[in-house]
Amino acid sequence: EAQVTQNPRYLITVTGKKLTVTCSQNMNHEYMSWYRQDPGLGLRQIYYSMNVEVTDKGDVPEGYKVSRKEKRNFPLILESPSPNQTSLYFCASSLFSSEPQHFGDGTRLSIL
Amino acid sequence: GQQLNQSPQSMFIQEGEDVSMNCTSSSIFNTWLWYKQDPGEGPVLLIALYKAGELTSNGRLTAQFGITRKDSFLNISASIPSDVGIYFCAVTYNNNDMRFGAGTRLTVKP
Repeated sequence: EAQVTQNPRYLITVTGKKLTVTCSQNMNHEYMSWYRQDPGLGLRQIYYSMNVEVTDKGDVPEGYKVSRKEKRNFPLILESPSPNQTSLYFCASSLFSSEPQHFGDGTRLSIL
Repeated sequence: GQQLNQSPQSMFIQEGEDVSMNCTSSSIFNTWLWYKQDPGEGPVLLIALYKAGELTSNGRLTAQFGITRKDSFLNISASIPSDVGIYFCAVTYNNNDMRFGAGTRLTVKP
């Protein structure tokens, strides 16, 4: 089944403790991206990747890192999480950047 | 910037009623997309529009790409309880970026 898989689905952690949210897609898509969803703000893009080893900042990249060492994986890294990063995060992928994206089921992060 | 204004923010309707929501922008876009997000899940693409003036249907859903390329609407006819969710418009620009509206939260009362 074609899908975008995120892990974990839920995480409660404390300020400053590094965490990684993994994202994997099995559709051989070149384009992958990360979004955060906050009430009243819709989805805002954090980072995106056009292909392996190519990543770029989205609208709200501060406090986040990503890597794209393989085509299928695009982890989101919070080196030193802070409470304002409490949010619902979505990974998405598409064959190319101009194509509509497929979304994972989301990861709800709570930073205390 | 490329801000999208989506309205209404929320709708409470009776089962069987028709629904209409829209997105507007001060910028021109080449692609308009409509997604639906069910509770606890990620957004799922409903309709993609690629040409100004294009009117596309998907079952009870109809969406149009505005002729000015600055707006789009989504209509749902004869709503049913499973239509509940958040509907997002989205645009792609610069071939790399996607921007979303703030969403319309739809509640359907049986």
